[in-house]
Amino acid sequence: GAGVSQSPSNKVTEKGKDVELRCDPISGHTALYWYRQRLGQGLEFLIYFQGNSAPDKSGLPSDRFSAERTGESVSTLTIQRTQQEDSAVYLCASSLASFGGLAKNIQYFGAGTRLSVL
Amino acid sequence: DAKTTQPNSMESNEEEPVHLPCNHSTISGTDYIHWYRQLPSQGPEYVIHGLTSNVNNRMASLAIAEDRKSSTLILHRATLRDAAVYYCILHNNNDMRFGAGTRLTVKP
Repeated sequence: GAGVSQSPSNKVTEKGKDVELRCDPISGHTALYWYRQRLGQGLEFLIYFQGNSAPDKSGLPSDRFSAERTGESVSTLTIQRTQQEDSAVYLCASSLASFGGLAKNIQYFGAGTRLSVL
Repeated sequence: DAKTTQPNSMESNEEEPVHLPCNHSTISGTDYIHWYRQLPSQGPEYVIHGLTSNVNNRMASLAIAEDRKSSTLILHRATLRDAAVYYCILHNNNDMRFGAGTRLTVKP
């Protein structure tokens, strides 16, 4: 498929364990975003990658959260020492670019990874 | 950060038009207005966007106030499949932050 792919779709882990969430953006999309969505809430911005520029990490809630992106392809979001409050759906989106409001800034979202921390 | 304000929820009858309002009084001249919607158990999907002029596409229409401090997403004939959370977002460079959105319920 040509859409944004996220894996795993569901992840259950124990408190204190580390987890890695993966996002495969649409080919050719230079911008990649991670969001967190708690049950019944809106989307919370976490981190943004644009090409080879330094990522915007201003939304990461603590130093337990980190993300990497290899070039303009796959990204992984890592949560260390998970807490129950980390339980949420983690959404990834990609876009062609992120300058102004041009049509190419439209974000395409994956289906998300539902993380449950017991 | 520029912010948007939307009603928490709205109801509509099937096959009737729906007008979803959004206030963005602190909008800057370079902010585009984007709308996304999120169906149950799915990631958000793009609906429409605009800068100053009203916009139409196959999904909806976007009416933007002359002073740009508010906008309205218009679904011309709501269907049951339009039941979703609708997000109004101001987009400028790399800043695109989602609020809580409006949960639209469509009654048969």
